[in-house]
Amino acid sequence: GAGVSQTPSNKVTEKGKYVELRCDPISGHTALYWYRQSLGQGPEFLIYFQGTGAADDSGLPNDRFFAVRPEGSVSTLKIQRTERGDSAVYLCASSLTQGGYTEAFFGQGTRLTVV
Amino acid sequence: QKEVEQNSGPLSVPEGAIASLNCTYSDRGSQSFFWYRQYSGKSPELIMFIYSNGDKEDGRFTAQLNKASQYVSLLIRDSQPSDSATYLCAVRDAGKSTFGDGTTLTVKP
Repeated sequence: GAGVSQTPSNKVTEKGKYVELRCDPISGHTALYWYRQSLGQGPEFLIYFQGTGAADDSGLPNDRFFAVRPEGSVSTLKIQRTERGDSAVYLCASSLTQGGYTEAFFGQGTRLTVV
Repeated sequence: QKEVEQNSGPLSVPEGAIASLNCTYSDRGSQSFFWYRQYSGKSPELIMFIYSNGDKEDGRFTAQLNKASQYVSLLIRDSQPSDSATYLCAVRDAGKSTFGDGTTLTVKP
């Protein structure tokens, strides 16, 4: 596709449930990033991939969060035992490479609500 | 102290005026700096990036970087109501970007 695609656009889940959020990056982009954004705050870094490997996962808040990118394209962010504090917009971005001088393009985000 | 600091605003300017948005960062080794615009309910979109000290101009936008002062700014000339949005400053280290919480700009007709 022309841009970064995230599905679903909205997800409502009950506390304690498991959720998966999907990101389909721009074709040819080797770097993929996950952020989450709470109301009134800037995006908070979670993890980024260069190819299939997680190059930096220092932003994952705890072991309930996990992300994969098995074929170096689509990525899935997985959240176990969801908590109300996990409610946020989860943003995915991709760029041609991971270098500091390359532009990253954001998807429209998945709004996760944990009730 | 946050790694990237921005005034939350709101900043209000009349149409046609210059809007000045400021950002400071704590990591002196930071190399690349980005300004994003985010409309309510939408995802961030890149406006400009800057790597070298000094000014970089692109249309109505000018980014200014002063690494010695750890300060980066964005000037918007001839502000339009369509510029009303939240402006996010980001500092990138390899693949990881650290964002400020944004400054909300309102341009009044």
